[in-house]
Amino acid sequence: EAGVAQSPRYKIIEKRQSVAFWCNPISGHATLYWYQQILGQGPKLLIQFQNNGVVDDSQLPKDRFSAERLKGVDSTLKIQPAKLEDSAVYLCASSKGTQYVRTGELFFGEGSRLTVL
Amino acid sequence: KQEVTQIPAALSVPEGENLVLNCSFTDSAIYNLQWFRQDPGKGLTSLLLIQSSQREQTSGRLNASLDKSSGRSTLYIAASQPGDSATYLCAVYGGATNKLIFGTGTLLAVQP
Repeated sequence: EAGVAQSPRYKIIEKRQSVAFWCNPISGHATLYWYQQILGQGPKLLIQFQNNGVVDDSQLPKDRFSAERLKGVDSTLKIQPAKLEDSAVYLCASSKGTQYVRTGELFFGEGSRLTVL
Repeated sequence: KQEVTQIPAALSVPEGENLVLNCSFTDSAIYNLQWFRQDPGKGLTSLLLIQSSQREQTSGRLNASLDKSSGRSTLYIAASQPGDSATYLCAVYGGATNKLIFGTGTLLAVQP
C-alpha cells in the first residue's frame, strides 16, 4: 500500500515569495492533516480536512497561508507571502476518518522542508 | 491549554545501555498518549499507543507507561542499538482541544 506522498521535498525561497506544497494521502483516507514542524519543536496542526471540507483551521495563519482539498483527495498548502519564521518542515498526514486518530491510525508523509531566506 | 514537555531534549548513550525518555502533559483529561519516532528527513512513525485506561504498552525492546493522574509517561528502551538513534516524540489526544498535541521531542544518539 502506497504511503502519504508529498512534494517537493525541499524548497528554498526568498522572503515575500510564494510557495506551494502538495500532498496525496493514502487511498481511501477521508481525513487529511497539514502540520508545521519548526526546528526543535513538535508538529503543530495547521488545518484538518474531512473529505473536501475544513474541520479545523484554527491555527492556520490565514493572512498568508491557504489550503484546499479539491475533490476530497489531493491537497495543496500555499504560503504567500512567506516570512523568515515560516521556515519549517510541512508534514501531511492522513487517516480513514477523524475517529481513527483515537486508535493511532494516522500516517505521515516524509514532509516538505521550507527554507525562507 | 494542553502543553506537552519532553525531557531531556537530547541524550547520547553507548550501545547496549537501557534508557528512559520522559513526557509530561498539563491536562490529564486525555483519551490516549502516543510515542512516535522521527528519523532525519523522514515523517513520523508510530511506536506505541496507550489508551487512558491502560498503564503500559510493550513492543519488542520498547515499553511505554502512562500515569494519567500525574500527567506523565515514560518510554523505556532496553539494550539500545545505533539503529535506535532518532528523535522520539510523544503526543496526547483528547481533552478540550480534540487535537493531537505533540511534545518537543528527545533527540537520541546511540554510540557504537
